[in-house]
Amino acid sequence: QLQLQESGPGLVKPSETLSLTCTVSGGSMSSSSYYWGWIRQPPGKGLEWIGSICYSGSAYYSPSLKSRVTISVDTSKNQFSLNLNSVTAADTAVYYCARHPSRGCSGGTCYFYPFDYWGQGTLVTVSS
Amino acid sequence: DIVMTQSPDSLAVSLGERATINCKSSQSVLYSSNNRNYLAWYQQKPGQPPKLLINWASTRESGVPDRFSGSGSGTDFTLTISSLQAEDVAVYYCQQYYTTPPCTFGQGTKLEIK
Repeated sequence: QLQLQESGPGLVKPSETLSLTCTVSGGSMSSSSYYWGWIRQPPGKGLEWIGSICYSGSAYYSPSLKSRVTISVDTSKNQFSLNLNSVTAADTAVYYCARHPSRGCSGGTCYFYPFDYWGQGTLVTVSS
Repeated sequence: DIVMTQSPDSLAVSLGERATINCKSSQSVLYSSNNRNYLAWYQQKPGQPPKLLINWASTRESGVPDRFSGSGSGTDFTLTISSLQAEDVAVYYCQQYYTTPPCTFGQGTKLEIK
């Protein structure tokens, strides 16, 4: 059974960088069939996709966060990571990692299916 | 980007009664070449991550009770719970995957017991 687990600091100061890691167990990340994504949820609010990456390192980001986000992958550790810089209180949220199958690529863009496996989420608070 | 809009924002239904949640996309998510709607529904219970309930607008995931059903096509979709159970209290989200990235979700509908 595939499992995903987020880890990282629960408190980040404003203007600093939020860094989280997702560890995947019960399966290998090294497949072109899947993308691995980050989604966040501010307290009491809805879901916001941050970005996704495949094992080769090909990554896609939300247009609204693209200037501040980097997602990377380490297949040797079966992990992928999120860096979000210049954080403010508006970045306070539960951060989830999740898997979504790829439905192929065309014209330089890859397309995704829904998220089928999720981590439990980790709350990150931005505060001084 | 495709914008997903759900209605209502919250809903209270009596146990055993029908619950209906709507989702509207800003453009069609029906792919004409295979006649499939690229629309998914998730259920998120308090303190838990979302769980994929339905994809292709109407196909239940394995293990999802048959009281959950999805319908609709093009831009208008509905999630129906035929007979509400206490364990169905949750927030429900729709998501389009017709054009991804970006992945876009509806704002969520909170379902409670009346």
